[in-house]
Amino acid sequence: EVQLVQSGAEVKKPGESLRISCKGSGYSFNTYWINWVRLLPGKGLEWMGRIDPSASVTNYNPSLQGLFTISVDTSITTAYLQWHNLKASDTGIYYCARRLTSSGAIYLDSWGQGTLVTVSS
Amino acid sequence: DIQMTQSPSSLSASAGDRVTITCRASQTIRTYLNWYQQKPGKAPKLLIYGASSLQSGVPSRFSGSGSGTDFTLTINSLQPEDSAIYYCLHTYSNPWTFGQGTKVETK
Repeated sequence: EVQLVQSGAEVKKPGESLRISCKGSGYSFNTYWINWVRLLPGKGLEWMGRIDPSASVTNYNPSLQGLFTISVDTSITTAYLQWHNLKASDTGIYYCARRLTSSGAIYLDSWGQGTLVTVSS
Repeated sequence: DIQMTQSPSSLSASAGDRVTITCRASQTIRTYLNWYQQKPGKAPKLLIYGASSLQSGVPSRFSGSGSGTDFTLTINSLQPEDSAIYYCLHTYSNPWTFGQGTKVETK
């Protein structure tokens, strides 16, 4: 069974650093890109970026580039989302998801359970 | 960036009704359009991929259609458990963008 298990909820202060994780199991981790999607309070879903675990190649949403970093450790089949300077506006739920492709389709099929990040002074 | 305009933003329908949600892309995205269902406190769940392919395990009352710029998600015979927010997502080019979401309530 494909599973993506994310790290637990975090409470941080503005300006602090944070790294959350997403551990994949039940499939060939290196084969499928991992994406990060966020849900901010009162807003809809927003695609943040993705990483190819086999080469650590990343693509970011240009409107969000520079605000966080996506990385991976294939030895432990885990992807990461990291901030170095959190802001209150980063408060939200963060999801990782696996990307699949088939003829004429690219989609996110399996999702982590979400990590709630709260940034408050 | 390709903008996805989803409508309506919310709807309320009775159990057994047919419900239609639309998504319009600001430029062609061929069939690179997916539909997701999200319930409170849960991760999004894939319903439809490639505009019209039903994800394994999803009830057949859900269906998708469209190509190019105009897409539709249809729920035939709405069930109480279908109350959720529905999002479209295009995956044609970077950055991927979601529609604003449609909140579906079952009366």
